Amino acid sequence: EPEVTQTPSHQVTQMGQEVILRCVPISNHLYFYWYRQILGQKVEFLVSFYNNEISEKSEIFDDQFSVERPDGSNFTLKIRSTKLEDSAMYFCARAGVYEQYFGPGTRLTVT
Amino acid sequence: GIQVEQSPPDLILQEGANSTLRCNFSDSVNNLQWFHQNPWGQLINLFYIPSGTKQNGRLSATTVATERYSLLYISSSQTTDSGVYFCAVAPSTDSWGKLQFGAGTQVVVTP
Repeated sequence: EPEVTQTPSHQVTQMGQEVILRCVPISNHLYFYWYRQILGQKVEFLVSFYNNEISEKSEIFDDQFSVERPDGSNFTLKIRSTKLEDSAMYFCARAGVYEQYFGPGTRLTVT
Repeated sequence: GIQVEQSPPDLILQEGANSTLRCNFSDSVNNLQWFHQNPWGQLINLFYIPSGTKQNGRLSATTVATERYSLLYISSSQTTDSGVYFCAVAPSTDSWGKLQFGAGTQVVVTP
């Protein structure tokens, strides 16, 4: 099964700026996840999204984060006011029949 | 939450050698996946294996669900096998649950 695609592949932003990371499903899937990986660390769950609603979120997913599916296709993760510690690789994943399929990731660098 | 421990943390192999990576988890699971993170940071699905044994080329995996561990075997290693190998699990109580990742095993295959 094909994985999702993500844009941009790399984003550099200044502290305090808003960023929007996009996940583009290849076909019409309902269940998505966002994960992040700080450099050199393990992958951590952020939020799961089912049928246009958040189904679960982690402690990391605080008020500065939001997710939506604005056009019924693309799936976005917004960080309202970026901090240095938000620098990480952000992965979108979709649920397959049994397993999760990960996109290639967006590397976010906050300066 | 469920705990995932991977060993060893680092592994250096000569090309052609065989190796075994281990993943221990603390609770029953309905999803267990092995991933290879390549030098570009992409997470490549290797196996979906909540129980049983699977093989794909030079890689194989075995999960003994009753004893809560999984093994990933790399045979005749090649330099392209270098990277970080992650085990990730979702507990049985979570039908479409988030994946909890281990800290990974960093594998370096030398020519």
